[in-house]
Amino acid sequence: EVQLVESGGGLVQPGRSLRLSCAASGFTFDNYAMHWVRQAPGKGLEWVSGIGWNSGTVGYAGSVKGRFTISRDNAKNSLYLQMSSLTTEDTAFYYCALLGAVAAFDYWGRGTLVTVSS
Amino acid sequence: EIVLTQSPATLSLSPGERATLSCRASQSVSNYLAWYQQKPGQAPRLLVYDASNRATGIPARFSGSGSGTDFTLTISSLEPEDFAFYYCQQRSNWPITFGPGTKVDIK
Repeated sequence: EVQLVESGGGLVQPGRSLRLSCAASGFTFDNYAMHWVRQAPGKGLEWVSGIGWNSGTVGYAGSVKGRFTISRDNAKNSLYLQMSSLTTEDTAFYYCALLGAVAAFDYWGRGTLVTVSS
Repeated sequence: EIVLTQSPATLSLSPGERATLSCRASQSVSNYLAWYQQKPGQAPRLLVYDASNRATGIPARFSGSGSGTDFTLTISSLEPEDFAFYYCQQRSNWPITFGPGTKVDIK
């Protein structure tokens, strides 16, 4: 069974940094691209960042480019999102998502809440 | 960036009725469009990929169609569990983008 478990969310002050992690299991992690998608409370879905199976391809939404860094450790079956210079606009649930064999997000974690507030 | 527009914003229907949701792209995305369902407090669930292919385990009452810039998700006969938010998403170009969503609620 595919499982994606996010961690690392919490309350952080504006301007500070936070690192999110996603632990993956139930599939061959290093075969697939992985992504982060966020959702502000009561709002829609926003793609944040994605990384190819071997980290050779990475991409970011314009709203986070230059502030967020995605990475993965295939030996640990883990995905990461390093977030810096956080603003209140970054407050959201952050989901880890697997871009599966059908090239769509067919598995999602339950999300971790990041709240940026002073 | 490809902008996706969904209509209507809210669709109020009764169980058993047919739901037709629209997604329009600001430029062609070929057939690289997916649809997701999301219920409150839950992660999204993939319904349809590549415009018209149902994901594993998705009931046959859900169907997708379209290509280029205009896409439709149809729910042939609404079940009580289908009242939720629906999002379209394109993967033709990065950044990947989602539409703003359509809420299907009970009339």
